[in-house]
Amino acid sequence: DSGVTQTPKHLITATGQRVTLRCSPRSGDLSVYWYQQSLDQGLQFLIQYYNGEERAKGNILERFSAQQFPDLHSELNLSSLELGDSALYFCASSEGQGGQPQHFGDGTRLSIL
Amino acid sequence: AQKVTQAQTEISVVEKEDVTLDCVYETRDTTYYLFWYKQPPSGELVFLIRRNSFDEQNEISGRYSWNFQKSTSSFNFTITASQVVDSAVYFCALSLTTGGNEKLTFGTGTRLTIIP
Repeated sequence: DSGVTQTPKHLITATGQRVTLRCSPRSGDLSVYWYQQSLDQGLQFLIQYYNGEERAKGNILERFSAQQFPDLHSELNLSSLELGDSALYFCASSEGQGGQPQHFGDGTRLSIL
Repeated sequence: AQKVTQAQTEISVVEKEDVTLDCVYETRDTTYYLFWYKQPPSGELVFLIRRNSFDEQNEISGRYSWNFQKSTSSFNFTITASQVVDSAVYFCALSLTTGGNEKLTFGTGTRLTIIP
């Protein structure tokens, strides 16, 4: 058990819809990262938050947004969903200092019908 | 830009054989970290090891060992006496320590199948 909790585990929805993925980091971790794993793109970094503030952005679409709340949990919002957004979305957390291992949640599998 | 290459897409070995998974990385930074993660069929990503760019000592943990060579920009992973439970996709990853961005850049993974 990594200590990172992601909900829901599975999500099935239709094109054009909006969903919210939730992540609770390990106790004591200040950084939260979101990654997308798809068959064609592999594992791609989306965005990082550190202690409530955005720290780094990767290949995140404009239709996607995220935030980290005062209690350090994070939410990833995906809107105007397209078939190509079907993927496994991982949240990871770390202490936030450079080079620290990131511990991953079990992921949310998003299926767009 | 950083890049991680795992040239072996799939490997199959018979149980108890040794197997080495290759990882080659590219970065212009002199300070960086390398990682290996395991993704079993259940889908979660499990952290295995971290190595920083200043520490070229090889590491052994049970049946697992890692060979880091800066001269060839490689960080290879060997499983000795493989077991069926080792069947998984293994990812090598790189992160930098500058600029406050600790994102992981992953390779494409190597799918390892251990045949009983």
